[in-house]
Amino acid sequence: EVQLLESGGGLVQPGGSLRLSCVGSGFTFDTHALNWVRQAPGKGLEWISIISGSGDATSYAESVKGRFTISRDNSKNTLFLQMDILRAEDTAVYFCAKRPLEAAGLLDSWGQGTLVTVSS
Amino acid sequence: DIQMTQSPSTLSASVGDRVTITCRASESVRTWLAWYQQKPGRAPKLLIHKVSTLQSDVPSRFSGSGSETDFTLTIINMQPDDFATYYCQQYNSYPLTFGGGTRVEI
Repeated sequence: EVQLLESGGGLVQPGGSLRLSCVGSGFTFDTHALNWVRQAPGKGLEWISIISGSGDATSYAESVKGRFTISRDNSKNTLFLQMDILRAEDTAVYFCAKRPLEAAGLLDSWGQGTLVTVSS
Repeated sequence: DIQMTQSPSTLSASVGDRVTITCRASESVRTWLAWYQQKPGRAPKLLIHKVSTLQSDVPSRFSGSGSETDFTLTIINMQPDDFATYYCQQYNSYPLTFGGGTRVEI
């Protein structure tokens, strides 16, 4: 069974930094691209970043480009999201989501999410 | 970016009803369209991909149709477990984008 487990969320002041982690199990971790998707309180879903299985290719939404960095450690089956220069509008539940091998852009398994609150 | 517009934003239904949710893309996404179900406090769950292909654990009362820019999710014989919020998503190009969601309530 595929499992994704996020951690690292919490309360941070505007301008601050936070690093999220997502540990994967139940699948061959280094063969799958992984994504971060966020959901502001009471709002819809927003895709923010993807990283290839090897970690050598990344892409970001414009809303986070230059402030967030996605990375992975395949030896530890762990995905990361380094979030810098945080803003109030970054307040959201952050989900990691796995891409299946056969469908670029599809999100077939999701973690339970971790809440990030940006507030003074 | 491709904009995805869902309607309605909220829908009232009863057990046994047939429910239809529409999703429109601002440009063609060909057949790269997925539907997700989300319950309060839970992660989204992939229901349908490539317009009409059901995930293996999804009941056959769910179906999807459409092409290019106009898509539909239909649920026949609504069950209590189906009351949730539904999102469409295009994966024709990055950035991946989602519709605003349709909350299906009793």
